[in-house]
Amino acid sequence: EAGVVQSPRYKIIEKKQPVAFWCNPISGHNTLYWYLQNLGQGPELLIRYENEEAVDDSQLPKDRFSAERLKGVDSTLKIQPAELGDSAVYLCASSAGQGATYEQYFGPGTRLTVT
Amino acid sequence: AQSVAQPEDQVNVAEGNPLTVKCTYSVSGNPYLFWYVQYPNRGLQFLLKYITGDNLVKGSYGFEAEFNKSQTSFHLKKPSALVSDSALYFCAVRDSANFGNEKLTFGTGTRLTIIP
Repeated sequence: EAGVVQSPRYKIIEKKQPVAFWCNPISGHNTLYWYLQNLGQGPELLIRYENEEAVDDSQLPKDRFSAERLKGVDSTLKIQPAELGDSAVYLCASSAGQGATYEQYFGPGTRLTVT
Repeated sequence: AQSVAQPEDQVNVAEGNPLTVKCTYSVSGNPYLFWYVQYPNRGLQFLLKYITGDNLVKGSYGFEAEFNKSQTSFHLKKPSALVSDSALYFCAVRDSANFGNEKLTFGTGTRLTIIP
């Protein structure tokens, strides 16, 4: 079974430029998450989708971040414009259900460097 | 609010010795507890979880964890460490009281180094 796929793996951009990250979850997983992981820290949730609906986006900085999951499968996370402080690893995860007992499966992440 | 603490940033263990990575938590309701491992340049991999039932949970790669409600702890253990166990380990918790908002909160991670 294929795992969670993310691309690109690495991205270097100048500040004020836009950037987008793509995620393809495990087949059949309706719940999709985007996390931000700063160096030396645990992942922090940015947004959670149930199918195509964003059910928790309270931690997403909506002035510059946006996300979509139009057909309830793939998802894209966008930053526009990027700031120096956005340099981090962006992780996508999926789970088979939205209940608290379900474990999440993570992709390899996209390491963003903003210069 | 739910939280989890990993009091040790770094743990060093000799190969073949038992290892313990510590985790304590705080929730309002019942805890759902998870351990993940992260290898360099890779995403987090699920190791094991405690939802209910036996306090000793067995997971992948020979790891196990013991849930202790009175001490609000969920320490990760392995009887005999391998060099390949060297990685970054994260404990995570969900609060059963947060029904409808099952946010997973991670600790800051513990770097485990197994010395040959």
